[in-house]
Amino acid sequence: EAQVTQNPRYLITVTGKKLTVTCSQNMNHEYMSWYRQDPGLGLRQIYYSMNVEVTDKGDVPEGYKVSRKEKRNFPLILESPSPNQTSLYFCASSLDPGPGLHEQYFGPGTRLTVT
Amino acid sequence: AQSVAQPEDQVNVAEGNPLTVKCTYSVSGNPYLFWYVQYPNRGLQFLLKYITGDNLVKGSYGFEAEFNKSQTSFHLKKPSALVSDSALYFCAVRDPLYGGATNKLIFGTGTLLAVQP
Repeated sequence: EAQVTQNPRYLITVTGKKLTVTCSQNMNHEYMSWYRQDPGLGLRQIYYSMNVEVTDKGDVPEGYKVSRKEKRNFPLILESPSPNQTSLYFCASSLDPGPGLHEQYFGPGTRLTVT
Repeated sequence: AQSVAQPEDQVNVAEGNPLTVKCTYSVSGNPYLFWYVQYPNRGLQFLLKYITGDNLVKGSYGFEAEFNKSQTSFHLKKPSALVSDSALYFCAVRDPLYGGATNKLIFGTGTLLAVQP
């Protein structure tokens, strides 16, 4: 089954404790992206990757890091989480890195709480 | 600036009645437009898209949307609502003239559709 998987689905952590949210897709997609969803703000892009070893900032990259060492994986790293990073996070992938003719496929989401 | 507006936080409709979820956009070039649906505790699922061609596009689960360039709108519609259509709906736009070659989507804030039995 074609899918995007994320782990963990739920995470409660404390301020400053480094964490990684994994994302993996099995569709051989070149484009991958991370979003955060907050009430009243919709989805905002954190980082994206157009291919292996090619990553760039989205609209809200502060406090986050990513890597793309393999085509299928795109982990999101919070080096020192803060309470304002409490949010619902989605990973997405798409067949084409641009110009965006193809829809994006989303993972099930990771609900992160930072206390 | 590129933007997407969903003017209604919530739309209520009775089962069997037609439904409309509104979306307007602002982009520099000719837009690529998308609708996604989010069911509780799930990721977003693609419903339909407009890239070019016929202004009326049909998508999954009986949904359709009409691209109106003069009104810069892309409203989502369904002739007869089902209780199972209750979910959060997001409109998104891709401006080919913005963000270079990247597949960047701008999302609206979402509209909660509630279908009453």
